Amino acid sequence: GESVGLHLPTLSVQEGDNSIINCAYSNSASDYFIWYKQESGKGPQFIIDIRSNMDKRQGQRVTVLLNKTVKHLSLQIAATQPGDSAVYFCAENRRSYIPTFGRGTSLIVHP
Amino acid sequence: SQTIHQWPATLVQPVGSPLSLECTVEGTSNPNLYWYRQAAGRGLQLLFYSVGIGQISSEVPQNLSASRPQDRQFILSSKKLLLSDSGFYLCAWSPSGGTEQFFGPGTRLTVL
Repeated sequence: GESVGLHLPTLSVQEGDNSIINCAYSNSASDYFIWYKQESGKGPQFIIDIRSNMDKRQGQRVTVLLNKTVKHLSLQIAATQPGDSAVYFCAENRRSYIPTFGRGTSLIVHP
Repeated sequence: SQTIHQWPATLVQPVGSPLSLECTVEGTSNPNLYWYRQAAGRGLQLLFYSVGIGQISSEVPQNLSASRPQDRQFILSSKKLLLSDSGFYLCAWSPSGGTEQFFGPGTRLTVL
C-alpha cells in the first residue's frame, strides 16, 4: 500500500512556529481517526483522536481538525519544540479493530 | 496499568536462519494483538492480527507466520529469513472492541 512503499514527506519548521500536518483519507465510512507520534527507534504513541461526529478537538498544544466533505484530517501543533521532531501518522478506522495508517510525515524542528 | 513488552530489541540474523520475536502484554485481558513491519523511512505495514487465543489473520502473504499460544502472548516467526525481512517490527495491542492501539518498543531486525 501507499503508506508502506513511499518515502515520507517532510515538514521543516522553526522552533516556536506552529506546525500543520495534513492527512487525506479515502473511506467516507471511517468513523474514528487517530494521530500517532513516532520518535526515532521507538514505537508510535497516541497523541489525539477524533470521532466523525466532531470537526475539531483540542489537546495540550495540539488540535485535530476533521473535514469530512473533502476527507481531510490535520494536526496542528502550537509553539513547536525540538522534542516534537518525529514522524506523525494519521490512522482511520474502516473496520472496528483494524486501523488504516496514512503514509506519515516527518516533522523536523530547527532550533 | 497496561504495558507491552517486545524482545529482543535488536537482532542480526543470517539469510536462511529462523526467527522468533515475542510480544507480551500485561494488565489487560483478551486484547486484540497486532504485528507490523516498518521499513526504514516508511509507513506501517500490518502483517498479522489476532482477536483471541489461537486465532490469527494474515494481511500480507509472505514467509512469516504468527501464533498466539496464550491470551497475552503474540509470537512472530519465520523458518528461513530473507534479506527483504529486514526492518523494524512492532507489536501492538488494543482493547477488545476498542480502536486505539498501544505499541511496543519494537525490534530492529537486520538480515545479512
